[in-house]
Amino acid sequence: DSGVTQTPKHLITATGQRVTLRCSPRSGDLSVYWYQQSLDQGLQFLIQYYNGEERAKGNILERFSAQQFPDLHSELNLSSLELGDSALYFCASSVGAINSPLHFGNGTRLTVT
Amino acid sequence: GENVEQHPSTLSVQEGDSAVIKCTYSDSASNYFPWYKQELGKGPQLIIDIRSNVGEKKDQRIAVTLNKTAKHFSLHITETQPEDSAVYFCAASWGAGGTSYGKLTFGQGTILTVHP
Repeated sequence: DSGVTQTPKHLITATGQRVTLRCSPRSGDLSVYWYQQSLDQGLQFLIQYYNGEERAKGNILERFSAQQFPDLHSELNLSSLELGDSALYFCASSVGAINSPLHFGNGTRLTVT
Repeated sequence: GENVEQHPSTLSVQEGDSAVIKCTYSDSASNYFPWYKQELGKGPQLIIDIRSNVGEKKDQRIAVTLNKTAKHFSLHITETQPEDSAVYFCAASWGAGGTSYGKLTFGQGTILTVHP
């Protein structure tokens, strides 16, 4: 068990809808990262937050947004969903913003129908 | 940006044999190279990592080697066991001066099957 908690485990929704994925980092970790895993694109970095502030951005669509709250949990919001957004979404956390190994949660499987 | 190529995509070995997975990266500035193991229904689990100032690192049956000149790094698993069966991912990132090692670029993964 990595100590990173993601909810929900599964999510099924329709195109055009909006969903929120939640992540609680390991105790003591200040950084949270979001990754998307799909069969054709592999694991793709979306965004990183450190102690409430956005720190790095990857291939995150404009329809997607995230934030990290004062209690350090993070939420990833996906809107105007398309079929192609179906994927596994992983959250990871680390102690610091740099030089710290990432520990992943077990993901949220999103299915858009 | 960084590009990481991983080979082979599938690897089948007999229990007790060794397994080697190789990755190449494109950005010479990359300086952190972790390996992750992903089992079905779970998230990637860090199994070993190496930084660019080290050429080799070992942890029990697992070792990683890094060749900065050739820009490639490899995972070596000795005395494989059926429970080593999983998908293995290499990754690379650059982090210094306030940037993050967390912006990892992953390889496409290797499905390792260890037959009893």
